[in-house]
Amino acid sequence: AQKVTQAQTEISVVEKEDVTLDCVYETRDTTYYLFWYKQPPSGELVFLIRRNSFDEQNEISGRYSWNFQKSTSSFNFTITASQVVDSAVYFCALSARSSGSARQLTFGSGTQLTVLP
Amino acid sequence: DAGVTQSPTHLIKTRGQQVTLRCSPKSGHDTVSWYQQALGQGPQFIFQYYEEEERQRGNFPDRFSGHQFPNYSSELNVNALLLGDSALYLCASSFPPDGNTIYFGEGSWLTVV
Repeated sequence: AQKVTQAQTEISVVEKEDVTLDCVYETRDTTYYLFWYKQPPSGELVFLIRRNSFDEQNEISGRYSWNFQKSTSSFNFTITASQVVDSAVYFCALSARSSGSARQLTFGSGTQLTVLP
Repeated sequence: DAGVTQSPTHLIKTRGQQVTLRCSPKSGHDTVSWYQQALGQGPQFIFQYYEEEERQRGNFPDRFSGHQFPNYSSELNVNALLLGDSALYLCASSFPPDGNTIYFGEGSWLTVV
């Protein structure tokens, strides 16, 4: 079975601060994919990034960066110089073969990020 | 390029009634999945449709059923609504069926009273 844990329920920062959202996952599969999605109040899940289990290279995209460490089963997400528009719920998700033939996502419970002006 | 579109965006139903939610996948996508997101929780997988058949199902009762049409659009039906069915229902599309990037629509907010 797959499991994703986002221990931080809510985080509040002041604009321009850096913030890291934690994600820990569990799976017995050796091949799996990890995702981060952003959910603004409108409800749509906005895709941010996908990493496969064979690629542990950290990635930076503008103010966003991701730190994937298989040794600790973590896939953390950092926002540098946060902005008010970053306020949303962020979800980490896992997809693995053992969950079936379909590319089924297992989500964490989400982290509510509030960036104060 | 249209993304995943869902309708209706909001609806209110009475306990015991039936509801149908609709989804059009992103252009070029042939696989549709449905998720239920209760307030304050992460989305949970309901089922996935590919080639007009249900490929996989999550831990949801038979009251939840679906359909996929030849144009890849999909419907989610929920019978005998319970108060606990109140949630945001999200549709996701991908290509191929195990496509690694999965796009979501804005969801349908269902309130059961």
